[in-house]
Amino acid sequence: DTAVSQTPKYLVTQMGNDKSIKCEQNLGHDTMYWYKQDSKKFLKIMFSYNNKELIINETVPNRFSPKSPDKAHLNLHINSLELGDSAVYFCASSPRLAGGNTQYFGPGTRLTVL
Amino acid sequence: GDSVTQMEGPVTLSEEAFLTINCTYTATGYPSLFWYVQYPGEGLQLLLKATKADDKGSNKGFEATYRKETTSFHLEKGSVQVSDSAVYFCALSPAGGTSYGKLTFGQGTILTVHP
Repeated sequence: DTAVSQTPKYLVTQMGNDKSIKCEQNLGHDTMYWYKQDSKKFLKIMFSYNNKELIINETVPNRFSPKSPDKAHLNLHINSLELGDSAVYFCASSPRLAGGNTQYFGPGTRLTVL
Repeated sequence: GDSVTQMEGPVTLSEEAFLTINCTYTATGYPSLFWYVQYPGEGLQLLLKATKADDKGSNKGFEATYRKETTSFHLEKGSVQVSDSAVYFCALSPAGGTSYGKLTFGQGTILTVHP
């Protein structure tokens, strides 16, 4: 009964490939996010969607394209993977777009680009 | 822009020791403040939060008080356990504006508790 789930958990791929990470939440939340955690554990927001509408896009290279087919899903597609894309990517959701809302995180996807 | 600064880690303590992890922030208005914890190999989970000045968040023996005058939200626990070993993140969410709902994180503090 996982609240926020991500697939795959691990992703190892070659430079230049295209890959996708999927995220689903069963909490009935309106807002979903993608965060990137680098090797030093630093976390930075990439995108947020509210009711399938893009709200935040934090100067992420346009090789990264989020897609929200419905409120429960927010997928991340990455084109032409680079070494610097290696990181752990976390999906999160919150009830709505509001400052005090708790965000619920998925288990993360560890992406390794060789 | 908004920013969060946490004390440098890693922090190593013996079981039952007192824990303080300092957190200060820079933001306009009255952001909401959070502590998230990341156990090894897992995603982040909310530990506690405070949404207005002088509020105290508490959970599992951890406490933090929202101090507007010092722009701080320090995390404390009176007696740590081995199971508290994790990475702790201080974070803020702005009160409004175009970044509404966005979490800005501190750099994380690795805590290791020895028996």
